[in-house]
Amino acid sequence: AQKITQTQPGMFVQEKEAVTLDCTYDTSDQSYGLFWYKQPSSGEMIFLIYQGSYDEQNATEGRYSLNFQKARKSANLVISASQLGDSAMYFCAMRAFAGNQFYFGTGTSLTVIP
Amino acid sequence: NAGVTQTPKFRILKIGQSMTLQCAQDMNHNYMYWYRQDPGMGLKLIYYSVGAGITDKGEVPNGYNVSRSTTEDFPLRLELAAPSQTSVYFCASSSGRDSGNTIYFGEGSWLTVV
Repeated sequence: AQKITQTQPGMFVQEKEAVTLDCTYDTSDQSYGLFWYKQPSSGEMIFLIYQGSYDEQNATEGRYSLNFQKARKSANLVISASQLGDSAMYFCAMRAFAGNQFYFGTGTSLTVIP
Repeated sequence: NAGVTQTPKFRILKIGQSMTLQCAQDMNHNYMYWYRQDPGMGLKLIYYSVGAGITDKGEVPNGYNVSRSTTEDFPLRLELAAPSQTSVYFCASSSGRDSGNTIYFGEGSWLTVV
């Protein structure tokens, strides 16, 4: 069975500072994908970043990077130089190889303080 | 570039009424999903489909039905609405089985059952 755990219900960060949102996962599959999504107060789900289980380099997309530690089964999202517009819910998700389903964590609410 | 389109965006139902949430995607994706998101919670999978004519239950299928007569459309039917079905509903799609294929979401449908 696949499981995604996000242990931080809420986080605060000062504008322009970096913040790390934690995500751990549990799977017996060797090949899988890890994703992060942002959900602003308007409600839409926005894809941020993807990391494949066989990727040796950590994924980066602009101010977003994914700190992938395979042995620890963690896939933390790092947001650098936080902006007020980063205030939102953030969801970690996983898809196993040849998987039909995406598994989502319960989310972390990030608030950026001016 | 429509992506995943859901209708209606907002709806109020009375207990016992039925309705259909419409979902269409124009990306020729085989995989389609329906999720519900309760306030402050993560996403729970209701039903999914791996192609036209094929559907399967997710975590929380009770009280819902789906059909997939075409690749593009994946409507969700609520029979005998109950207050517990008050939620935000997201339709989503994905292009294939590869673990690197991300999931694309519609904008959500806010449903209230009174």
